[in-house]
Amino acid sequence: GESVGLHLPTLSVQEGDNSIINCAYSNSASDYFIWYKQESGKGPQFIIDIRSNMDKRQGQRVTVLLNKTVKHLSLQIAATQPGDSAVYFCAENAGGTSYGKLTFGQGTILTVHP
Amino acid sequence: KAGVTQTPRYLIKTRGQQVTLSCSPISGHRSVSWYQQTPGQGLQFLFEYFSETQRNKGNFPGRFSGRQFSNSRSEMNVSTLELGDSALYLCASSLVGQGNSYTFGSGTRLTVV
Repeated sequence: GESVGLHLPTLSVQEGDNSIINCAYSNSASDYFIWYKQESGKGPQFIIDIRSNMDKRQGQRVTVLLNKTVKHLSLQIAATQPGDSAVYFCAENAGGTSYGKLTFGQGTILTVHP
Repeated sequence: KAGVTQTPRYLIKTRGQQVTLSCSPISGHRSVSWYQQTPGQGLQFLFEYFSETQRNKGNFPGRFSGRQFSNSRSEMNVSTLELGDSALYLCASSLVGQGNSYTFGSGTRLTVV
């Protein structure tokens, strides 16, 4: 039969606003959580990561929050710019022998209006 | 520093044919992972190689295979192509294969007609 395409969540913001992108993950044993940005025609680009023993990590204009109780991850982008428009994916890795195996979320389309 | 290079960028094949995709990792990186990206299934892990050994494999049929050479370059092969194999195939490399350390290439867009 015909496969149903993923209907990605979308987030539309004005330039200068703060953006929050959410992700629910599935494996409570995951050790690494990573956020990627994918622009059209390109592969995913690493933004920031967090290990399971942390609940918050900050980078340049980005903050990742991890809530292991409800298996929830969020990415906050401060002062969002038009260049931030892309699809954002969360990914998890169980560590240990899960070499190279990232499990990706469905993605969120972020559109930033000037 | 050169990134992950995938060739070719675009490919059109006919059902039933086979295809080989190539990935050159970042210099010094020994781990290479492959992913399939489709609108229907999103990003799915295919397999991972380290020092010419497959250490991990995703849930894909045996038509999907890969290998890694002594210089860490990797190839993946898909035999007996089906329409559903049309996808963006992404390669990522890492120094040792730690989960948060992968750099992705721009992918090979495969279209099966």
